[in-house]
Amino acid sequence: DAKTTQPNSMESNEEEPVHLPCNHSTISGTDYIHWYRQLPSQGPEYVIHGLTSNVNNRMASLAIAEDRKSSTLILHRATLRDAAVYYCILRGGGADGLTFGKGTHLIIQP
Amino acid sequence: DAGITQSPRHKVTETGTPVTLRCHQTENHRYMYWYRQDPGHGLRLIHYSYGVKDTDKGEVSDGYSVSRSKTEDFLLTLESATSSQTSVYFCAMGREFLSGEAFFGQGTRLTVV
Repeated sequence: DAKTTQPNSMESNEEEPVHLPCNHSTISGTDYIHWYRQLPSQGPEYVIHGLTSNVNNRMASLAIAEDRKSSTLILHRATLRDAAVYYCILRGGGADGLTFGKGTHLIIQP
Repeated sequence: DAGITQSPRHKVTETGTPVTLRCHQTENHRYMYWYRQDPGHGLRLIHYSYGVKDTDKGEVSDGYSVSRSKTEDFLLTLESATSSQTSVYFCAMGREFLSGEAFFGQGTRLTVV
């Protein structure tokens, strides 16, 4: 799987939007962009995924650059419960699972 | 709940003993995975399964074996536990990881003393 680069940590205030960046300059045309998050003492949790177009769901939005070399996960109104490690993962097919990097540790200040 | 459970949730065992962790799903998903998570390493894939009796090795498979005799159960065995296998183990399932959602269990904290 192609590599992703994320900031180690980010801090935001409660009730404000959060933009989590991810760079994936070596992405191939068939790679899907997945985002997962892991709350303290829990297993990873799916957030959103996309291929080329921007995507929205009840948890977040995913903005994908036109050249697909970067993407941004957007939490529209952060809550304290959104404090977690967020992982940006490229998935290019096959059965061999998701490759997790170090992710971004998101800190939410009240 | 996503229909995936791990047992036991916590276990302490002695070096050299065999240990089996169980992952059980009720969703009839084809793919199942075992990961371990350690400070400084993140989540690493141990073994995965793409069907009954179909399994393959992941990034850190040495010292581990798996079995999947039924769709719903994926067992991870530490043949002879070592202190380096002290970790948190996560099981996951999915219909298809290329474009779909993966569901993770709550984890098993294993301590080898």
